[in-house]
Order: sequence, then C-alpha cells, then structure tokens
Amino acid sequence: NAGVMQNPRHLVRRRGQEARLRCSPMKGHSHVYWYRQLPEEGLKFMVYLQKENIIDESGMPKERFSAEFPKEGPSILRIQQVVRGDSAAYFCASSPSAVLDTQYFGPGTRLTVL
Amino acid sequence: GQQVMQIPQYQHVQEGEDFTTYCNSSTTLSNIQWYKQRPGGHPVFLIQLVKSGEVKKQKRLTFQFGEAKKNSSLHITATQTTDVGTYFCAKPTSGGYQKVTFGTGTKLQVIP
Repeated sequence: NAGVMQNPRHLVRRRGQEARLRCSPMKGHSHVYWYRQLPEEGLKFMVYLQKENIIDESGMPKERFSAEFPKEGPSILRIQQVVRGDSAAYFCASSPSAVLDTQYFGPGTRLTVL
Repeated sequence: GQQVMQIPQYQHVQEGEDFTTYCNSSTTLSNIQWYKQRPGGHPVFLIQLVKSGEVKKQKRLTFQFGEAKKNSSLHITATQTTDVGTYFCAKPTSGGYQKVTFGTGTKLQVIP
C-alpha cells in the first residue's frame, strides 16, 4: 500500500527556469493539498485540488505558480521563471475525503534555485 | 490570517527529561491536530483532538485540548533521542475541508 509519492525528491533550477513538481496521492484518495515550507519555518498552505478541479488556491502566489490534478496522472505544481525565494520544500498531502480527517504527507520535493 | 502560536520555539532537553509544547489560538477551535516532522523528513500525523478538555495518550505522549478549545498541549514523558524533531499543531481553516493552518512549531533536541 504505497503512500503519497512525490518526485523529484530534489530539484535544482537556475533563476528563470521552470520547476515541475509531481504528487501521486495514496490509492483511493482524490483530494490533494500542496504546502510550502521555507527553511526553519512551518508549512504554509498553497492549494487544494480535487480531480480536475481547483477548490482553494488562496495560498498560491498570483503569478508564476499554477497547479493541476488531471483526471489521469499525478497532481502537478508548476513554478515558472523561478527566483531564489522559491527555494523551499514543497509537500503534498492527500486524503480520502473532504471532511476533516487525517492528511497523509508525501516525502516532499526540495527545490533549490541557484 | 489567523496564526497559531506555539511555545517554545526551541527546546533542548537531556534524554530522560520531560518536554511540553503549547499551542495557542486567539479563536475557538473546532478541533486541533498534531504532527511530528523529523529533521529532513515530512510531517507525520500524530493525533486529532475534538472535544473540550479532551486528553489522549500515545505511549509516552499525552495530548490535551483546553476546556475553552483555544489551546492545546503535547507532553512527552522521559524523552528519548527518537523524539527529536519539530512538533506542529494545526488547526482547521474556514471551508470545512482538510485545509489546515500549521502552528509555528517547536523544535525539540534531545541530548543523549
């Protein structure tokens, strides 16, 4: 019973490049949440998606960031024209339902922008 | 947004000593969750508290939800080196779904 999968685990990009982070939720989970964690800080909510729908993107920067969760395949968090301030750990979590219950976190993608 | 404050921010203890972290909210909470994140790892769900005054135990860990549902605590008895990590409380945000706001975290270091 595989847990939440994220890849890549580590990603290095130069300023101005694009970063694509993937998240495969646990089997049977159709709710995905993305969080960002800056070094030595807590996790900040970015976006909540269900299959093919963005439910809440209130924590996502208005520019350069986008997220999707297609009918088939993993959820993707895309960061265009990365800047040094985007360097962080990006975690996704999944849950089987929308009601408040346990969230299962993936191992995270550590993004470093040179 | 509504922040959830945790104190202390850092705590160093000798192995075998007890440890407590406190989580405080300015508003009444419907429930509160606790997570542990090992260094370099990802958050792992520990527990959810729902009822006023609720106390739950997991081996050496004791979780408490305040009577007014505005604060919570996590107490570890006789710490071990495996307890090292950052402990976060998390509260639900508006919307009713799983979106949570994480506390500032307490980083625990256990000295063997």
